[in-house]
Amino acid sequence: DQQVKQNSPSLSVQEGRISILNCDYTNSMFDYFLWYKKYPAEGPTFLISISSIKDKNEDGRFTVFLNKSAKHLSLHIVPSQPGDSAVYFCAAVPLGSSNTGKLIFGQGTTLQVKP
Amino acid sequence: DGGITQSPKYLFRKEGQNVTLSCEQNLNHDAMYWYRQDPGQGLRLIYYSQIVNDFQKGDIAEGYSVSREKKESFPLTVTSAQKNPTAFYLCASSIFYRDRQNEKLFFGSGTQLSVL
Repeated sequence: DQQVKQNSPSLSVQEGRISILNCDYTNSMFDYFLWYKKYPAEGPTFLISISSIKDKNEDGRFTVFLNKSAKHLSLHIVPSQPGDSAVYFCAAVPLGSSNTGKLIFGQGTTLQVKP
Repeated sequence: DGGITQSPKYLFRKEGQNVTLSCEQNLNHDAMYWYRQDPGQGLRLIYYSQIVNDFQKGDIAEGYSVSREKKESFPLTVTSAQKNPTAFYLCASSIFYRDRQNEKLFFGSGTQLSVL
């Protein structure tokens, strides 16, 4: 049973426009969410995170929004750049699992930013 | 230059053979993890270790074994009991603070394991 879902396997946007990557979760007992970015043949790198007590966190071009009532989070990249082309994973930390590294990952969304 | 080193980058396993994937970190992180990635799926936790000489099973530990004799090293052995070992294996580490929310994981570049 997939507790964290990224229903769009791929997304293509034009350089300079906004990229919106979505993630849904089924378990209300997550207290922390993270986004990772992964290039081919490399490990994921941390991008941005958000606590469940917040609804928005911003870091430069990247903003994560959390809608707890809808069990939905999204990552906005503005403006998108060709170097943003990668696979993006959303991940959730179950309550009580802090400091265990027990992240629950989504399937990933491949973003392509066209010049 | 601190980081996590996984080796080899590609590994082939024969039927009935055990293979060991190496993971070394010089970040002075307390905790280390092994994740598995299959095509079209998210990463799944195999084993994790929060301290030397101690480790816990993750969600898919069957057919795998680990050791944590040194803080810097967390090798993963894929045993012959693992019937579907073909996957991309990722090692990660993090700082471990008690009573704090989960710190972000730092990942290695991965090992692609295939069955001959």
